[in-house]
Amino acid sequence: AQSVAQPEDQVNVAEGNPLTVKCTYSVSGNPYLFWYVQYPNRGLQFLLKYITGDNLVKGSYGFEAEFNKSQTSFHLKKPSALVSDSALYFCAVRDWIYNQGGKLIFGQGTELSVKP
Amino acid sequence: DGGITQSPKYLFRKEGQNVTLSCEQNLNHDAMYWYRQDPGQGLRLIYYSQIVNDFQKGDIAEGYSVSREKKESFPLTVTSAQKNPTAFYLCASTKTLQVNNEQFFGPGTRLTVL
Repeated sequence: AQSVAQPEDQVNVAEGNPLTVKCTYSVSGNPYLFWYVQYPNRGLQFLLKYITGDNLVKGSYGFEAEFNKSQTSFHLKKPSALVSDSALYFCAVRDWIYNQGGKLIFGQGTELSVKP
Repeated sequence: DGGITQSPKYLFRKEGQNVTLSCEQNLNHDAMYWYRQDPGQGLRLIYYSQIVNDFQKGDIAEGYSVSREKKESFPLTVTSAQKNPTAFYLCASTKTLQVNNEQFFGPGTRLTVL
């Protein structure tokens, strides 16, 4: 079964410092990986995805993620955190078996708090 | 939140009542999904639809029902059989089932049972 784990419930970072939000995955085929961000009482916003190609993926709002096949990880990174980055972040893997509708399997989320 | 609208934003239900959550998209997407979000549990799939007049159960379909009579609409009914319906409900859509297509999410409906 495909699964995603986000080992940290919360990450605290000072503004201006680099941030990393961790994600590991388990899939039976090729991984199709996504990061989403959620602000309070809002829907999820797409940040970036890895399908194939370069291991370093660049996305919205200055975020990037590094795909590491040997470590089965897809960590989200940003060189310099902003207070406005404070939100709930979800890693997800797309179920590649078409008869399951292409659903996303989500991690439990990581709360990012950036302090001034 | 793109071209997906959900209504209402907040919904209160009494015990034994059925309620319907609306989801509309103007993105011309083929596939639509309903997820339930509970604190600390991520999102879980309730139902999905790949085309009009077809839908499939997800991981937690018990106590829920859906319809897909139009491409742009995918309403979710929370029935009285759902024992713990208080949650945040998110609707999503994607252009096709190709794995490289991301899903777009609506703003959500927060359902509270009184």
